[in-house]
Amino acid sequence: GDSVTQMEGPVTLSEEAFLTINCTYTATGYPSLFWYVQYPGEGLQLLLKATKADDKGSNKGFEATYRKETTSFHLEKGSVQVSDSAVYFCALTRTQTGANNLFFGTGTRLTVIP
Amino acid sequence: GAGVSQSPRYKVAKRGQDVALRCDPISGHVSLFWYQQALGQGPEFLTYFQNEAQLDKSGLPSDRFFAERPEGSVSTLKIQRTQQEDSAVYLCASSPGTSGTGELFFGEGSRLTVL
Repeated sequence: GDSVTQMEGPVTLSEEAFLTINCTYTATGYPSLFWYVQYPGEGLQLLLKATKADDKGSNKGFEATYRKETTSFHLEKGSVQVSDSAVYFCALTRTQTGANNLFFGTGTRLTVIP
Repeated sequence: GAGVSQSPRYKVAKRGQDVALRCDPISGHVSLFWYQQALGQGPEFLTYFQNEAQLDKSGLPSDRFFAERPEGSVSTLKIQRTQQEDSAVYLCASSPGTSGTGELFFGEGSRLTVL
């Protein structure tokens, strides 16, 4: 069945450091891939998405490329800020249901220190 | 309101009690989802509505869990005879369409603690 394997945290970085959070997936068909972010005290919100192979999603300086050959969707940012401290979830759509039901990874907590 | 609203934000129940959690989706959103998020884990799918029709309830962990959306807007998740393993944050999400490429808009969740 469909699954998402996400880099375990927590991750602690200094401000302006480079960030990579790894995400690989297993799916039948062609799922859409997402990164959601949960800031402290707030609900989950979409960070970026990619709907087909080789698409690059980007937002707020974050990027991720849908790599079908390696079944990966790694999240990157060149220079993190304290305000990026949050929990990041990789997710895909469950193709079997035919709806936009999301299947999430376990989340990676990022803490950025000044 | 502008976003997905859930109530109560926090609920403490004694084991065996029934609880009801409410979700007010964004007005006009067709799709509505319920997820369960245990501590330190990602959200796990519970059930999905398209308007008032419950199209997928494959994630409901037992027959103690029941969800409804009778008029295609507000939804209620009911848990009967609560157990300690039901302690989690229950998230509601909505989206305007039914496409697999669409964004889900999440509420802040209802944190249930069963003593």
